[in-house]
Amino acid sequence: NAGVTQTPKFQVLKTGQSMTLQCAQDMNHEYMSWYRQDPGMGLRLIHYSVGAGITDQGEVPNGYNVSRSTTEDFPLRLLSAAPSQTSVYFCASSPGARRTEAFFGQGTRLTVV
Amino acid sequence: AQKITQTQPGMFVQEKEAVTLDCTYDTSDQSYGLFWYKQPSSGEMIFLIYQGSYDEQNATEGRYSLNFQKARKSANLVISASQLGDSAMYFCAMREGGTALIFGKGTTLSVSS
Repeated sequence: NAGVTQTPKFQVLKTGQSMTLQCAQDMNHEYMSWYRQDPGMGLRLIHYSVGAGITDQGEVPNGYNVSRSTTEDFPLRLLSAAPSQTSVYFCASSPGARRTEAFFGQGTRLTVV
Repeated sequence: AQKITQTQPGMFVQEKEAVTLDCTYDTSDQSYGLFWYKQPSSGEMIFLIYQGSYDEQNATEGRYSLNFQKARKSANLVISASQLGDSAMYFCAMREGGTALIFGKGTTLSVSS
């Protein structure tokens, strides 16, 4: 049972490059979300989705795009990487009911130079 | 305004002692869920405990209990009989309605022998 799988685990980008962080879950969860974690800031919500075809912005959406064409996948696109986007990124999924916890991927450590 | 506030950046406790990690939240919803997660130095996010806004009793999971005071909007995590393996970052989080989890900035717990 794979759970939530994020790829890659580590990535170094040059300023201005674009890339996609992949997130896939095999639990048929409706809700998926992306967070970034920076020292002293906790986990901040970037974008989230409550089902295929539905996405919404979180607290820090600028510079990121998402789409949700299938229940399983929720990729996060960095359009033009900036050093301020250096962070650890987490993808999470949950069945959607308020009582249920979110399951997290292992994280992607991104460095933009 | 912050929805989740964790006022203790760091806490220190000795083995076998109990420790309380503070969390206050802000919501106008009547129905919401409160969660605690643990993040060890390895980086993964581990779900610990859940409390629903309509739950009359405080949640407990093994050595973890949640001291829920609805009128004060607080949801403190109590860890009894601390162990060295409890040393980690702890995050309080809330889910309102059909949204993703919102996290606090976290508290670093250090357990010494």
